[in-house]
Amino acid sequence: AQSVTQLDSQVPVFEEAPVELRCNYSSSVSVYLFWYVQYPNQGLQLLLKYLSGSTLVESINGFEAEFNKSQTSFHLRKPSVHISDTAEYFCAVSDQEDTDKLIFGTGTRLQVFP
Amino acid sequence: DTEVTQTPKHLVMGMTNKKSLKCEQHMGHRAMYWYKQKAKKPPELMFVYSYEKLSINESVPSRFSPECPNSSLLNLHLHALQPEDSALYLCASSQDRSGTSSYEQYFGPGTRLTVT
Repeated sequence: AQSVTQLDSQVPVFEEAPVELRCNYSSSVSVYLFWYVQYPNQGLQLLLKYLSGSTLVESINGFEAEFNKSQTSFHLRKPSVHISDTAEYFCAVSDQEDTDKLIFGTGTRLQVFP
Repeated sequence: DTEVTQTPKHLVMGMTNKKSLKCEQHMGHRAMYWYKQKAKKPPELMFVYSYEKLSINESVPSRFSPECPNSSLLNLHLHALQPEDSALYLCASSQDRSGTSSYEQYFGPGTRLTVT
């Protein structure tokens, strides 16, 4: 069975500062990895995903995440955050052979201050 | 069209009422999901339908009854709910039927349910 750990429940940062949201997973099988973002009173939106290939994946709005197999991590980074990035961020993992079961971390609340 | 729609947006119901939540996708996806999300928590999987057949039921109480009438629609029928069932109910879909899609789940905006 897989599990996902997001150690930071809240991350406060000032606008234009860099940020890293940490995600570690545990699994005995090969996995797919995802970051989802949830703005207040909305559903979840896929931010980026790692399926295979290059371990560095990027989103269209400046976020990137790096898959590190040896450290079983998939940390999310952004070099300069905006007020509009304030949201809840969920890391998630699925077994490559059973993609219907998506296991979520507990979430990290990113709060960007002016 | 990469959208999953859910109706209604908000629902208030009494413990003796019967109501239904509706979810629709037109992306040709084979899998559809119901999740329950409490405040400040991650979504919890309730049900999965694959090719219109129930494939996963995560030990959900029988007062929640899912239905998949066709490949685009997913319903969640509610009866005799408890106040602790108040939550955001999210629908999602994934994987086109040819099997060539990339496994991410597309979520709808959710139905905010309040049980009084």
